[in-house]
Amino acid sequence: GIQVEQSPPDLILQEGANSTLRCNFSDSVNNLQWFHQNPWGQLINLFYIPSGTKQNGRLSATTVATERYSLLYISSSQTTDSGVYFCAVTKAAGNKLTFGGGTRVLVKP
Amino acid sequence: GAVVSQHPSWVICKSGTSVKIECRSLDFQATTMFWYRQFPKQSLMLMATSNEGSKATYEQGVEKDKFLINHASLTLSTLTVTSAHPEDSSFYICSETSGRANEQFFGPGTRLTVL
Repeated sequence: GIQVEQSPPDLILQEGANSTLRCNFSDSVNNLQWFHQNPWGQLINLFYIPSGTKQNGRLSATTVATERYSLLYISSSQTTDSGVYFCAVTKAAGNKLTFGGGTRVLVKP
Repeated sequence: GAVVSQHPSWVICKSGTSVKIECRSLDFQATTMFWYRQFPKQSLMLMATSNEGSKATYEQGVEKDKFLINHASLTLSTLTVTSAHPEDSSFYICSETSGRANEQFFGPGTRLTVL
């Protein structure tokens, strides 16, 4: 099956700092999503981004499908950004999401 | 995006009992829903695909007789953990697709603890 790798596995930031999270995948995809899992376990949809660039407030994401990676940018981080960020993909012509291992982010005040 | 609810949000049961978890689509008729399991500090693993009006499709290594899935209507899928054991303790999360090119939306999850 398709492999999804996220880096770094852990990230500690000072409030106000910027950061970049990376997601590499091993095959062509027709769906790529970024999620933030909050401390209660809820997965919050951040981006649906099989290709291209999107921005939503302090967050933005870029997927380069031909090179099989996606980046999530967090700018001016806040303590509420803490949690686990997951990248998940659906292989072309499929509908099952495969998750990466996640990046655990801690933003310190 | 789609709104998905789960019930209960947490449950504690004794070993050997069965537990039913409900997943409801509140604003979308979902012909397909998905069930995932997440162990502490790990990622989400797909357990099965729930298809309205037909049998669920289970991932390799998931026992279909232990994890019974029923998708009797377009808004409700249920997962029953039968004869639960402590190793079944986990966070169970369902999802549905919005219909837009497979974008998935997740329920809040159910934390199961088997004593």
